[in-house]
Amino acid sequence: NAGVTQTPKFRVLKTGQSMTLLCAQDMNHEYMYWYRQDPGMGLRLIHYSVGEGTTAKGEVPDGYNVSRLKKQNFLLGLESAAPSQTSVYFCASSYGLGGGANVLTFGAGSRLTVL
Amino acid sequence: RKEVEQDPGPFNVPEGATVAFNCTYSNSASQSFFWYRQDCRKEPKLLMSVYSSGNEDGRFTAQLNRASQYISLLIRDSKLSDSATYLCVVILYSSASKIIFGSGTRLSIRP
Repeated sequence: NAGVTQTPKFRVLKTGQSMTLLCAQDMNHEYMYWYRQDPGMGLRLIHYSVGEGTTAKGEVPDGYNVSRLKKQNFLLGLESAAPSQTSVYFCASSYGLGGGANVLTFGAGSRLTVL
Repeated sequence: RKEVEQDPGPFNVPEGATVAFNCTYSNSASQSFFWYRQDCRKEPKLLMSVYSSGNEDGRFTAQLNRASQYISLLIRDSKLSDSATYLCVVILYSSASKIIFGSGTRLSIRP
C-alpha cells in the first residue's frame, strides 16, 4: 500500500519557470492538501480539496494553482517560479474532518529550489 | 500572536530520562488536537491524538488542558529513536482550512 506519493522528490528551477508537483493517494481519501514547510515557520497550507473537482485556498495560495480532476490526484502548479517559493512541499490526505477521519497522511515531500 | 505556539527547543536529554513539552493554542473554539512526529528531512507522521481525558500510548502520554489552552506530551524512559521534531496540531471549527501546525519542538536524546 503506497499511501501518498509525491513526484518529483527534488527539483531545481530558474526564476520564471513553471512546473507541476503531482500528489497521488491510493487510500480513497476525500480530502487532500498541499503544504509548504520553511525553517521556523511550521507547515503552512497552500491549497486544499474536499473532494474530486473541488479546490480552495489556504493560508498562502499566492503564486500557486491546483487541480483535482481525479479523486486520487492533487496537482500543485507554479506558473512563474520565484526564489520565495524555495521550500519543501508536502502533500497530505485524509478521509474527512470528523473524529478519526481528520488524521493526515503525508507524502515524503518535494524539495524545490528556485534560483 | 501565533495561533499555535511551541517551544522550539532543542531539548537535549539523556537516554532513559523523562521529558515533557507543551503547546499552547489561542482559539478556545479549537476542537481536535494531535501530536505528530517528524524525523529529519522526512514527512510528519501521526504520533497520537489528544483526548479531553488524556491518553497514553506506551511511553507517551498526551494531556489537554482546555482551561489554560494547552496540550502536553510526556515521554518516559526516552530512547535514542525518540530524537525527532514533535509537531503540535490543532483543528479549529472542523474546517479543512483550519488545521494549524505548530513550528515544532526539537528533541535530541543522547546516549
